[in-house]
Amino acid sequence: DAGVIQSPRHEVTEMGQEVTLRCKPISGHDYLFWYRQTMMRGLELLIYFNNNVPIDDSGMPEDRFSAKMPNASFSTLKIQPSEPRDSAVYFCASSFGLAGPYEQYFGPGTRLTVT
Amino acid sequence: GQQVMQIPQYQHVQEGEDFTTYCNSSTTLSNIQWYKQRPGGHPVFLIQLVKSGEVKKQKRLTFQFGEAKKNSSLHITATQTTDVGTYFCAGPMDSSYKLIFGSGTRLLVRP
Repeated sequence: DAGVIQSPRHEVTEMGQEVTLRCKPISGHDYLFWYRQTMMRGLELLIYFNNNVPIDDSGMPEDRFSAKMPNASFSTLKIQPSEPRDSAVYFCASSFGLAGPYEQYFGPGTRLTVT
Repeated sequence: GQQVMQIPQYQHVQEGEDFTTYCNSSTTLSNIQWYKQRPGGHPVFLIQLVKSGEVKKQKRLTFQFGEAKKNSSLHITATQTTDVGTYFCAGPMDSSYKLIFGSGTRLLVRP
């Protein structure tokens, strides 16, 4: 398996622009997670899906952030409008949840820089 | 709210020395997971502990889950430069699928 795939790997954008991050989970996994990692706040869960349905979005910072999962093999995280404080590494992770809270497989991440 | 704390924040050791990181949860956990993140990389799953008092070994790494299922430790014997990275513990929040990650312990190894 190719593992979790994320694109782009790096994104540099100007404040106010829309940013879309993409994720393809591991085939057969029914849980998908979006995380943000910064030096100050560590690894934070933003939102997670089960069978394409959002379960918990309490970690989404504000209305500028939105996430969708139109099918089992694709998810997006959108920031509109972006701000410098959104600069971080965004990770997507997937897992197979049938046996309970199980190990998560992380993608390589998208390093976002907002100037 | 539920918290997972890790100490120390950093550890700088000479190659060949041992290393231990400790993880403490504010609540009882159904399981605890450990991840390693190399510099510039992504977190990679190492192991999951489920049973009270469980001890698991992976070569030079020893993982323990406390009797009360509120704390855990990772011990590395005779560190190598390949052990460099940040080690995170993570526990499910309220037995959900939402993982709460500790702040991580960054390990640096002097060759």
